[in-house]
Amino acid sequence: AQKVTQAQTEISVVEKEDVTLDCVYETRDTTYYLFWYKQPPSGELVFLIRRNSFDEQNEISGRYSWNFQKSTSSFNFTITASQVVDSAVYFCALITGSNTGKLIFGQGTTLQVKP
Amino acid sequence: GAGVSQSPSNKVTEKGKDVELRCDPISGHTALYWYRQSLGQGLEFLIYFQGNSAPDKSGLPSDRFSAERTGGSVSTLTIQRTQQEDSAVYLCASSLGVPGAYEQYFGPGTRLTVT
Repeated sequence: AQKVTQAQTEISVVEKEDVTLDCVYETRDTTYYLFWYKQPPSGELVFLIRRNSFDEQNEISGRYSWNFQKSTSSFNFTITASQVVDSAVYFCALITGSNTGKLIFGQGTTLQVKP
Repeated sequence: GAGVSQSPSNKVTEKGKDVELRCDPISGHTALYWYRQSLGQGLEFLIYFQGNSAPDKSGLPSDRFSAERTGGSVSTLTIQRTQQEDSAVYLCASSLGVPGAYEQYFGPGTRLTVT
């Protein structure tokens, strides 16, 4: 079975703090892809990053960074120096070779950044 | 370029009526997906199209739900004899090619309310 768990339901930080959103996934497939999406209050899901299971290199994009660790089946997302505009619901998702087009989403983490 | 568009943005219908939801994918995207988002169930996969074929319909909740795609472009999701539990935001996404290898881009959604 494939599953994505985002244990943090809600996180509240003050602007400029760093924050890490956790994502743990389960799959028996050796080929899979992991994603992060952002859903701001406007509602539209915005793609942030895609990783395949063969590439464990961490990635940094501006204030965003992702840590992929196969040993712990985790794909965590860190926002450095958070800003009010980062307030949104963040979803981690998984596609495997055996589940065709189906993105399996975690329950989402609501991040509130206070000024 | 233009993103995924969906219509209508909001739909209120009476229980028992049929509804049609439309999705226009990003031009050139061969894969198209339908999901729904509700408070209780999170983000759920419904169906995936590659071209005009649907290799994975496993997420359709009942035979009241059907979808088609024509000309490898526009897709319509039809819900017959709507029930109150069908109330949700229906999201469409498209991707350039094979799921996983390409990220899915989401539209703004159609909010369906069944009264």
